Amino acid sequence: DTAVSQTPKYLVTQMGNDKSIKCEQNLGHDTMYWYKQDSKKFLKIMFSYNNKELIINETVPNRFSPKSPDKAHLNLHINSLELGDSAVYFCASRTTVGGELFFGEGSRLTVL
Amino acid sequence: QQQVKQSPQSLIVQKGGISIINCAYENTAFDYFPWYQQFPGKGPALLIAIRPDVSEKKEGRFTISFNKSAKQFSLHIMDSQPGDSATYFCAASKQVSSGSARQLTFGSGTQLTVLP
Repeated sequence: DTAVSQTPKYLVTQMGNDKSIKCEQNLGHDTMYWYKQDSKKFLKIMFSYNNKELIINETVPNRFSPKSPDKAHLNLHINSLELGDSAVYFCASRTTVGGELFFGEGSRLTVL
Repeated sequence: QQQVKQSPQSLIVQKGGISIINCAYENTAFDYFPWYQQFPGKGPALLIAIRPDVSEKKEGRFTISFNKSAKQFSLHIMDSQPGDSATYFCAASKQVSSGSARQLTFGSGTQLTVLP
């Protein structure tokens, strides 16, 4: 009964490729997030969607494009991958009014 | 600009000892302060949280102390156990100006190692 699930868990690819990470939550939450965790474990918010509407868009290269087909799904597509994109990407969800943020187990992206 | 500053970066404690991790924030719009625990290969998970209208919250061996005037808060782990070895993140949450949703900003994390 995974609450927030991400696929794939591991992704190894070459520079310049395009890749996607999928996220689904079965908690009934209406707000979803993407966080990036770098090699020093720093967690930085990238995007947030509330009921399929983009509400937070931090300073992220436009090679990163989130898509939310419905409030239970938030996918992340990355174009023209660069070495610096190597990181662990976490999807998370919560209710609009706040409270606990539930994280997925992360997707480790390695760009060679 | 780091909105939530966390220290120390790493901490080694003997089993049974007290682990203390400190955080400070600048933005007075923050109104909810959770701590997250992350084990290797896993996502962060909520450990304990506090709102600024109280100065302390305790859950089992974990206590948050909150100083609103100093804009500082800390996590105390009493009787630390090897199973507590993980990365701990403080965080601060505020309402997003564009609507009713909220944004959570994390500190830089503390790698805690509890020696047996």
